Amino acid sequence: NAGVTQTPKFQVLKTGQSMTLQCAQDMNHNSMYWYRQDPGMGLRLIYYSASEGTTDKGEVPNGYNVSRLNKREFSLRLESAAPSQTSVYFCASSVEAWDQPQHFGDGTRLSIL
Amino acid sequence: QKEVEQNSGPLSVPEGAIASLNCTYSDRGSQSFFWYRQYSGKSPELIMFIYSNGDKEDGRFTAQLNKASQYVSLLIRDSQPSDSATYLCAVTGANSKLTFGKGITLSVRP
Repeated sequence: NAGVTQTPKFQVLKTGQSMTLQCAQDMNHNSMYWYRQDPGMGLRLIYYSASEGTTDKGEVPNGYNVSRLNKREFSLRLESAAPSQTSVYFCASSVEAWDQPQHFGDGTRLSIL
Repeated sequence: QKEVEQNSGPLSVPEGAIASLNCTYSDRGSQSFFWYRQYSGKSPELIMFIYSNGDKEDGRFTAQLNKASQYVSLLIRDSQPSDSATYLCAVTGANSKLTFGKGITLSVRP
């Protein structure tokens, strides 16, 4: 029973490189989310997908793109990484958007030099 | 005004005591309220959720919601060293977005 699986767990990039963070859930949830967590800033929503086929911006979407590949998978792409994007990234899912508890993956620790 | 506020802490209590964690929110239309626990270096883990005014109990944990005063609390009875973690309050506002507080760090002294 994996829940929400994120890959990779750790990554170091150079400024300007691109990469995609992967997220998959096996709970048949409709809604999925990407957050970043920085010291003193709490969890901030980057993008979310309320249901398969839809995506919307959250609080801090600049520099990121997302793809809801299917009901299970929701990926986050950094096209040209910047040091300000050094953070811990969490993917989460819920049965439906917002009013239902969200279940989090283990996170991806991303450092951009 | 911040949407969801938690005292920055840290909060330190002796083992066996009651830990009281408080959270206030600014959106009067908020409907759903969640408490998450996050151990250092780990991901947030749901502890409690509450939708209606009053108390909701689950084992040693009690969530208290007062919509008129716009606060939600988490009480941890018989606190254990394993309860030492950061606790995040999260609120779904009238715009249907979930907003997290910055969290409060709890330390339970043996």
